Amino acid sequence: GQNIDQPTEMTATEGAIVQINCTYQTSGFNGLFWYQQHAGEAPTFLSYNVLDGLEEKGRFSSFLSRSKGYSYLLLKELQMKDSASYLCAALDSNYQLIWGAGTKLIIKP
Amino acid sequence: ETGVTQTPRHLVMGMTNKKSLKCEQHLGHNAMYWYKQSAKKPLELMFVYSLEERVENNSVPSRFSPECPNSSHLFLHLHTLQPEDSALYLCASSQARTGAEKLFFGSGTQLSVL
Repeated sequence: GQNIDQPTEMTATEGAIVQINCTYQTSGFNGLFWYQQHAGEAPTFLSYNVLDGLEEKGRFSSFLSRSKGYSYLLLKELQMKDSASYLCAALDSNYQLIWGAGTKLIIKP
Repeated sequence: ETGVTQTPRHLVMGMTNKKSLKCEQHLGHNAMYWYKQSAKKPLELMFVYSLEERVENNSVPSRFSPECPNSSHLFLHLHTLQPEDSALYLCASSQARTGAEKLFFGSGTQLSVL
């Protein structure tokens, strides 16, 4: 079966760095998405990786290793507004999105 | 004006009621989606419309009935729902139905079935 694993909840301190991991098992692979969802709000697109390596966008970076079926989202200089759920989703060979259950990130002062 | 707008934001209904959820996108996209989001569970894709035609129906019970009258509007008609249908229902759109397109979501309708 197809599956995405990511931690249910993580806690980090304002100003610090946090890494949210995501492992996937899919039938084929056509890329991996990260979305951010604040409580009661719409999920918003953060990143899409299809090639191995690290892509940086300001304070957020996303990494992909296709051989390991692994991705992570790296958040630097954490701010209180980064408290949210982070959703990992992999695109399989049929271009179907397989979603993880999300990681709730709690930022403490 | 936000890209994808959903109404109502909250809905409480009895199991015998009939109600409809509405979604409107102002992005000129050609594909629209309904997702179900339950607490601590992955997003579940319910329906996909591409160029106003339904292209996916993922084994969703018939008590959920989608309608896409034009490329900007999407409805989800609800009737005879069960308590386990209580969840956040999210609408999304994308430029095309290719799978590799990023999705633009609405804020959702929080549905409670009593």
